Amino acid sequence: RKEVEQDPGPFNVPEGATVAFNCTYSNSASQSFFWYRQDCRKEPKLLMSVYSSGNEDGRFTAQLNRASQYISLLIRDSKLSDSATYLCVVNQGGSEKLVFGKGTKLTVNP
Amino acid sequence: IAGITQAPTSQILAAGRRMTLRCTQDMRHNAMYWYRQDLGLGLRLIHYSNTAGTTGKGEVPDGYSVSRANTDDFPLTLASAVPSQTSVYFCASSDEAGTGELFFGEGSRLTVL
Repeated sequence: RKEVEQDPGPFNVPEGATVAFNCTYSNSASQSFFWYRQDCRKEPKLLMSVYSSGNEDGRFTAQLNRASQYISLLIRDSKLSDSATYLCVVNQGGSEKLVFGKGTKLTVNP
Repeated sequence: IAGITQAPTSQILAAGRRMTLRCTQDMRHNAMYWYRQDLGLGLRLIHYSNTAGTTGKGEVPDGYSVSRANTDDFPLTLASAVPSQTSVYFCASSDEAGTGELFFGEGSRLTVL
């Protein structure tokens, strides 16, 4: 089982749709979790951290399920500008143990 | 505010040549990282530095070397480039080592022929 796995997609959704991405991780000792966004031919940028209690930032909601070892990202009311690749990142402890998923590509269509 | 600056933005290089990718940050972050990103493989850590004067190997260090003489600079050197090193290289930094809150440079696209 790979350390961090994401559905590569692509996800094609209409504007206004709700879309959810999941990410599973194999190391139960993983300490912290993040979602990054990467636009085409650009650098990744932190979207949000994922806390045990779940957290929300506007239209974005992130959740962590430690028992099942997955994190999720929910995007409500999708905008054209949400089109990007979303990277799941898991910190297993230490600089060398920050593992990136391969990303899930989202395209929001008019 | 520059954040992290990488140079060059892109480069075509003959196999066997030596190449240094430059990375400079002005945020006074302790930790710095070099990643490569390849289609289908995602971001993979090459080398990292938790603080000035120290470096460590990541997942794919072979063929690469780094130095961290000061807080701001973290150059990546390919001693003798090979075609498999064709990739997009991202430098990143974080305030504390091991945190997942990374700030990335805009990337350096390297093609080795």
